[in-house]
Amino acid sequence: NAGVTQTPKFRVLKTGQSMTLLCAQDMNHEYMYWYRQDPGMGLRLIHYSVGEGTTAKGEVPDGYNVSRLKKQNFLLGLESAAPSQTSVYFCASSYPLTPGISYEQYFGPGTRLTVT
Amino acid sequence: RKEVEQDPGPFNVPEGATVAFNCTYSNSASQSFFWYRQDCRKEPKLLMSVYSSGNEDGRFTAQLNRASQYISLLIRDSKLSDSATYLCVVRNTGGFKTIFGAGTRLFVKA
Repeated sequence: NAGVTQTPKFRVLKTGQSMTLLCAQDMNHEYMYWYRQDPGMGLRLIHYSVGEGTTAKGEVPDGYNVSRLKKQNFLLGLESAAPSQTSVYFCASSYPLTPGISYEQYFGPGTRLTVT
Repeated sequence: RKEVEQDPGPFNVPEGATVAFNCTYSNSASQSFFWYRQDCRKEPKLLMSVYSSGNEDGRFTAQLNRASQYISLLIRDSKLSDSATYLCVVRNTGGFKTIFGAGTRLFVKA
C-alpha cells in the first residue's frame, strides 16, 4: 500500500500560470480533502469530496478548483496562480465520518508550491 | 479569536523530561479531538485520538475537559525522537469542519 501520494512534490510557477496537483489514494477511502499549510497557521481546508463525482468548498476555496472523477484520485487546480497561493499543499483521505467513531485522516507527503 | 489555539512554543526540554501541551477550542459543539504529530517538512500523522475519559498510549497521555474546552497532551520520559510539532485537531458537529491548531514545536535535547 502506497497510502496517499501527491504529484508533484515541488513546483515553481509564475503569476498567472495554471497547474494541477494530483492526489491518489489506494485505501478505498470515500472522503478526500485538500489543505494548505502556511507558517504560523494551522492546516486550512480548501475543498473536500465525500465520494466520486462530488466536491464541496472548504474554508479557503477561492482561486482553486477540484475534481473527483475517480474514487482514488482528487485533483486540485490553480487556474491563475497568485503569490498568495505560495504554500505547502496536503491531500488527505479518510473513511466516511460516522457519529461516535473518530476516523483519522491520512495525509500525503505534500506539494511545495512557490508562485513568483 | 482562533477556533483552536495552541502555545506555539518552542518547548526546549532535556531527554527524560515530562512536557505538557495545552490546546483550547472555542466551539462547544466540537465532537472529536485528536493530537497529530508533524515532523519537519513532512505530513501530519495521527498520534492519538482524545476521549472524554482520557486515554494513554505508552509515554503519551491525552485528556479532554469539555467544560473548560481544552485538550492536553502529556509526554513522559521525552526522547530525542519526540522532537516535532504537535498539532491539536478538533472536528465539529457535521464532520467536515476539521480545525487544526497552528502547532506546538518541541525540541528534546541530549
